[in-house]
Amino acid sequence: DTGVSQDPRHKITKRGQNVTFRCDPISEHNRLYWYRQTLGQGPEFLTYFQNEAQLEKSRLLSDRFSAERPKGSFSTLEIQRTEQGDSAMYLCASAGVRTGELFFGEGSRLTVL
Amino acid sequence: TQLLEQSPQFLSIQEGENLTVYCNSSSVFSSLQWYRQEPGEGPVLLVTVVTGGEVKKLKRLTFQFGDARKDSSLHITAAQPGDTGLYLCAGAYVEVEDNDMRFGAGTRLTVKP
Repeated sequence: DTGVSQDPRHKITKRGQNVTFRCDPISEHNRLYWYRQTLGQGPEFLTYFQNEAQLEKSRLLSDRFSAERPKGSFSTLEIQRTEQGDSAMYLCASAGVRTGELFFGEGSRLTVL
Repeated sequence: TQLLEQSPQFLSIQEGENLTVYCNSSSVFSSLQWYRQEPGEGPVLLVTVVTGGEVKKLKRLTFQFGDARKDSSLHITAAQPGDTGLYLCAGAYVEVEDNDMRFGAGTRLTVKP
């Protein structure tokens, strides 16, 4: 499968714990995006990488959130000291140089108890 | 806060009926995309429109980009139960230099057999 893959698909954690999500984009895509989606809403932009550089972060991304893309390939999104309000689907998408079309993974669903 | 307004929010119709959903903004898009999302999955790209007034067809789906590039519509002819899903529009704004695609909240379509 050469699409965008995300791991884990589901994560249940207790409030205050740290969680990390991984995204493997389509190999030839240099742009990588993280979005958060809650029930009944469209995806909300969190952050964007071009190669290994994090070029933009949303104001939604508090200091408990950090994202990395160390080698310009896979990316991780870490949430520290999780809160119940962090419960959502976390979506990763990648895009190539020539087009703005986003290719999404299946998402990582986080439930904070 | 969604910058793109999608309407209607929910739509339930019988198989064989036609429908139109809308995506509106007060700002100009450099490009606009339509996605379909099924429960528990990431959005899947349907089409990208770039030119004002552009019309694209994908089998029974017809996409139109407004002349002023501020709005778009999706028309489905003879809807089928397989069309059920969340239809999202996403746009890149002309006056914003960042690269994030902003999503609407979506139209949740249910087609009953």
